[in-house]
Amino acid sequence: AQSVTQLGSHVSVSEGALVLLRCNYSSSVPPYLFWYVQYPNQGLQLLLKYTSAATLVKGINGFEAEFKKSETSFHLTKPSAHMSDAAEYFCAVSYSGSQGNLIFGKGTKLSVKP
Amino acid sequence: EPEVTQTPSHQVTQMGQEVILRCVPISNHLYFYWYRQILGQKVEFLVSFYNNEISEKSEIFDDQFSVERPDGSNFTLKIRSTKLEDSAMYFCASSRGLAGGTDTQYFGPGTRLTVL
Repeated sequence: AQSVTQLGSHVSVSEGALVLLRCNYSSSVPPYLFWYVQYPNQGLQLLLKYTSAATLVKGINGFEAEFKKSETSFHLTKPSAHMSDAAEYFCAVSYSGSQGNLIFGKGTKLSVKP
Repeated sequence: EPEVTQTPSHQVTQMGQEVILRCVPISNHLYFYWYRQILGQKVEFLVSFYNNEISEKSEIFDDQFSVERPDGSNFTLKIRSTKLEDSAMYFCASSRGLAGGTDTQYFGPGTRLTVL
């Protein structure tokens, strides 16, 4: 069975600091991996996804994530945090042969301090 | 930019009542989904819908739940005889229907259902 673990329900960084949000997955078949962001009172918006092409994936707003099969990880990073990055971030997994239903982690709330 | 919309944004109902949550997916999308998030818990898949029928459903999606595409634009989730534990945020999503699990799903803002 597929599952996703996000370490840290709440991460706080200073503006300009590195953002690192952790995601580990468990999958018996090759996974497709996604990061979504949710701003207050809005729906989930796709940041980036890994679909078995390049292992380093670049997304919107300067975020990127690297698929590491040996570590079963798909951590999200951004070199320099901006106040507007404050939101909740969700990692999710899907897989070949599914109808696309996403299995989500519990989410990590990112706070950015001035 | 096209977006998924959901109504109402907040629904309060009494236990045992029926509720219908409404969604308007992006117009050229072919796959539709419902997810829910109980407060403090993970977003959970409920059901996917394609070509006017359910294509996949989770264990949560029992006989209490049903989905329908009553016309060319709306996609609804009906919950019969609501229970306290149905209180959650319900998200609708849609996708274009490309190959398998790689499709990007576009999410609506959610409907918060409160069952009293």
